[in-house]
Amino acid sequence: DTEVTQTPKHLVMGMTNKKSLKCEQHMGHRAMYWYKQKAKKPPELMFVYSYEKLSINESVPSRFSPECPNSSLLNLHLHALQPEDSALYLCASGQGSSGNTIYFGEGSWLTVV
Amino acid sequence: RKEVEQDPGPFNVPEGATVAFNCTYSNSASQSFFWYRQDCRKEPKLLMSVYSSGNEDGRFTAQLNRASQYISLLIRDSKLSDSATYLCVVMGDYGGSQGNLIFGKGTKLSVKP
Repeated sequence: DTEVTQTPKHLVMGMTNKKSLKCEQHMGHRAMYWYKQKAKKPPELMFVYSYEKLSINESVPSRFSPECPNSSLLNLHLHALQPEDSALYLCASGQGSSGNTIYFGEGSWLTVV
Repeated sequence: RKEVEQDPGPFNVPEGATVAFNCTYSNSASQSFFWYRQDCRKEPKLLMSVYSSGNEDGRFTAQLNRASQYISLLIRDSKLSDSATYLCVVMGDYGGSQGNLIFGKGTKLSVKP
């Protein structure tokens, strides 16, 4: 079982809605990640937080807004999304250094209608 | 050139077969390498790390050739439960902000009775 917990598992939202995806880990990892995965494609990095600071933003549109309230929590705030944003959103955590394993949560399936 | 390239697949093999996956990576400075397994509609899960000396875990053997920037995974005596997509993964280095995973497109394996 994964030690990275994501909620909700499924989310359907309209294009004018504001919603949030949540992620939690209690492994003491210092790096947390958001990945986006479309059907039949590999995961693509969106954001990396290292020591609660945003260290990488892979040119993600501003309708996706990450937040790291503390070292165990990572949120992804969603606003004014488009249907093409429908995907599996994966949170992951790791020690943030080369050679250390990164663990994924089960993901949040997002459908934008 | 893509950062991580894999055999396109899919591989359809009978139970008991030996199957080999190959992968190449473009960044010679990469330090860490992994094989992840992803089942349909599930999150990626670490199968094994890959070391230059080669490593084995039961029926699975992984090999790294740094000179050729080549990674392999061998599955012996394949089982029905091995059916999944196998992702070749390289840990990227963002100039000090390390730990991001870069995924190959994945190779789908179907093991048939």
